[in-house]
Amino acid sequence: AQTVTQSQPEMSVQEAETVTLSCTYDTSENNYYLFWYKQPPSRQMILVIRQEAYKQQNATENRFSVNFQKAAKSFSLKISDSQLGDTAMYFCAFSITNTGNQFYFGTGTSLTVIP
Amino acid sequence: DTGVSQDPRHKITKRGQNVTFRCDPISEHNRLYWYRQTLGQGPEFLTYFQNEAQLEKSRLLSDRFSAERPKGSFSTLEIQRTEQGDSAMYLCASSLAVGGGDIQYFGAGTRLSVL
Repeated sequence: AQTVTQSQPEMSVQEAETVTLSCTYDTSENNYYLFWYKQPPSRQMILVIRQEAYKQQNATENRFSVNFQKAAKSFSLKISDSQLGDTAMYFCAFSITNTGNQFYFGTGTSLTVIP
Repeated sequence: DTGVSQDPRHKITKRGQNVTFRCDPISEHNRLYWYRQTLGQGPEFLTYFQNEAQLEKSRLLSDRFSAERPKGSFSTLEIQRTEQGDSAMYLCASSLAVGGGDIQYFGAGTRLSVL
């Protein structure tokens, strides 16, 4: 079975500070991709960052970076210099290359950036 | 490019009625996905199409659920004989197949309320 666990239902961070959202996953597959998506209140989900599982180098995208530990099946998201616009639900997900690339999502972490 | 469009945004129906939702993907995308998201949960995969072919439908929740993508462009998701448990947000996403790790672009969703 493919599962994603996000153990922090809610988090908050002061504006300009750094926050890390945790994610663990389970799959027996070797070829997969990992994602973080952001869902602002009443708005559609948008991609934050993507990581190829075969790459050891952690992906970065401006203020967003990941800590990918393949052996531990851990994929945390670090947001630096948090901004008010980062307030959203964050979902961790992965897709398996050989099975149509549908996403397996976690239950999400609600992040609030405090002014 | 206007992104993924879903219609309607909200649907209220009475138990036992049939409902149909529409999704218009990004024009050059050949894959289209349907997900269901209930309160406090991450999106749950339902089915997907590559062009007009429905390649995975075993995850549709029951035989009351069906989806079509007749010309490989827009798609419809139909729920027959709705039940209160069908109340949820129904999300559509599209992607351009690149051999793995497709980035999925999500619509704003259709929120279904079954009374």
